[in-house]
Amino acid sequence: EPEVTQTPSHQVTQMGQEVILRCVPISNHLYFYWYRQILGQKVEFLVSFYNNEISEKSEIFDDQFSVERPDGSNFTLKIRSTKLEDSAMYFCASSRERGPGETQYFGPGTRLLVL
Amino acid sequence: SQQGEEDPQALSIQEGENATMNCSYKTSINNLQWYRQNSGRGLVHLILIRSNEREKHSGRLRVTLDTSKKSSSLLITASRAADTASYFCATPGANSKLTFGKGITLSVRP
Repeated sequence: EPEVTQTPSHQVTQMGQEVILRCVPISNHLYFYWYRQILGQKVEFLVSFYNNEISEKSEIFDDQFSVERPDGSNFTLKIRSTKLEDSAMYFCASSRERGPGETQYFGPGTRLLVL
Repeated sequence: SQQGEEDPQALSIQEGENATMNCSYKTSINNLQWYRQNSGRGLVHLILIRSNEREKHSGRLRVTLDTSKKSSSLLITASRAADTASYFCATPGANSKLTFGKGITLSVRP
């Protein structure tokens, strides 16, 4: 069964460094998402992406964050200058169509630790 | 306002027992979804119930939705140790973004 994959599974970085989290969505899916989960807290929406454009972003997704689909398979989340509070599990998700009735399929996550 | 609040926050049961988890939400919804997360892992979609449905089954899972009370319940029957996980309800917005609750930690003792 097709699945969303994410790399790396774990990333440790120093505060102020740039990190790029990578995701390979399910191949025939057109809509892509990033969520994050700070330890012990809710899963929070960051951004949705379709047709090479951001569809919606949350207030968390400030100028330090960017997303890109550099080729036909990868979907990346870049944090330009990491802060301690960026430490979280980051989940990528994809769906075949957009709309509230569409199931989003989640990857296993990247655990980011900012020191 | 919080959309999707589950209760209880933690539930511990014996293998073979049924587990019931509840979720309340505040705004109108198109559907409500339940996800499972094993410790430190990704989210697995379990079931989606539409706003015009009252009950839905999938294997050992039974989900109900009461739109008048803005609440949903997830019942896992004949629980197994492998059901130990966190369970989240989530509601989608118009642009598909999912809003999750805080989750319920279910422990099934063998």
